Amino acid sequence: GESVGLHLPTLSVQEGDNSIINCAYSNSASDYFIWYKQESGKGPQFIIDIRSNMDKRQGQRVTVLLNKTVKHLSLQIAATQPGDSAVYFCAEKRRQLTFGSGTQLTVLP
Amino acid sequence: GAGVSQSPSNKVTEKGKDVELRCDPISGHTALYWYRQSLGQGLEFLIYFQGNSAPDKSGLPSDRFSAERTGGSVSTLTIQRTQQEDSAVYLCASSPKGGDIQYFGAGTRLSVL
Repeated sequence: GESVGLHLPTLSVQEGDNSIINCAYSNSASDYFIWYKQESGKGPQFIIDIRSNMDKRQGQRVTVLLNKTVKHLSLQIAATQPGDSAVYFCAEKRRQLTFGSGTQLTVLP
Repeated sequence: GAGVSQSPSNKVTEKGKDVELRCDPISGHTALYWYRQSLGQGLEFLIYFQGNSAPDKSGLPSDRFSAERTGGSVSTLTIQRTQQEDSAVYLCASSPKGGDIQYFGAGTRLSVL
């Protein structure tokens, strides 16, 4: 079946390094993607989104890249900080938002 | 309020009991969503309300689950005859009309003993 999946369940990075979180999707008809951040005990928080007519979108310290050829989405976090430690979800929109299982990002001091 | 509010934040119940979970969306948001999140998992879509349209119930896992949205604002998710596998965090989100970005509450952690 069609699904949104993440390559790695956990990712550890040193404070100050850049982080890259990957996401694969299988529905080529999806035209909208969102990255959410979920801290422990909280609901998911919107980070950045991208539509399928774009390859790249930048926010504050974050960049989302979309490769439609291989159906791959990535979230890049520049100069990772301790406050970035959280679970990151990608979601694709078909009829409704479909979320991946998430990647736990841990920032090491 | 400023954000999506859910209550209670935690609910412990006994197997077979009914529970009601409440969601207050952001004022003015016409769309409201319920999701379920099991430990260490992603978000499972349950139900979607948009304005006065018939809700999209395609994600409800069984007929024990139901939801209402009164007056286009507050929503209640009801789980009847709870089972242990219903234990999860139930998240509510809202979005403005025509908007794709969903704004989430902190969730209700349901524990069925």
